[in-house]
Amino acid sequence: VQMVQSGGGLVQPGGSLRLSCVASGFNVNSNYLSWVRQAPGKRLEWVSIMYSDGSTKYTDSVKGRFTISRDNSRNTLYLQMNSLRTEDSAVYYCARHPSYYGVDWGQGTLVTVSS
Amino acid sequence: EIVLTQSPGTLSLSPGERATLSCRASQGVSSNSLAWYQRRPGQSPRLLIYAASSRATGISDRFSGSGSGTDFTLTISRLESQDFAVYYCQQYGTSPYTFGQGTKLEIK
Repeated sequence: VQMVQSGGGLVQPGGSLRLSCVASGFNVNSNYLSWVRQAPGKRLEWVSIMYSDGSTKYTDSVKGRFTISRDNSRNTLYLQMNSLRTEDSAVYYCARHPSYYGVDWGQGTLVTVSS
Repeated sequence: EIVLTQSPGTLSLSPGERATLSCRASQGVSSNSLAWYQRRPGQSPRLLIYAASSRATGISDRFSGSGSGTDFTLTISRLESQDFAVYYCQQYGTSPYTFGQGTKLEIK
């Protein structure tokens, strides 16, 4: 069981990035999956969740800018990030919701928003 | 949002000792939806405890969680060298699903 992330990088303020998280060993469409981030010197911050029924939630600071989605055929979770701000710079993790089998996090991907 | 405050910030203990870490919530955690994570240097967080007191798959029984409402505790009995790390609590009962600031467990 693992979650492998890709898609981070350097982007200018106002730009866009899409993060991907490929799951193996479990089905993304039957799990609650979140994106969590950590900026330098700050605590972990939950960003968004997609529930197994397809419903979603976001933290207030990213509402209207970020979109969580999944592709069941690719068993992949995504985070589309638009209108990026410097304060969105962080290491982003995909993570399974806490549960008996929900121990897995991705390896993390660095997003840097800077001009 | 629910603010989680962990204490102490740093805990210095020796291998073989018992560690007690605290997580206090600014308001009650719905359905005791409280998780504990371990984070070793250079690694992603690893889930230890969910639902306040249930161990996740593969987690040693030296790790135990307790508490309800606003006060939660992670106890690690008989510390081993690989236990020295940073520990975080997270509440996932009320969105946004917030984290504590972490407790660093270091070797004395």
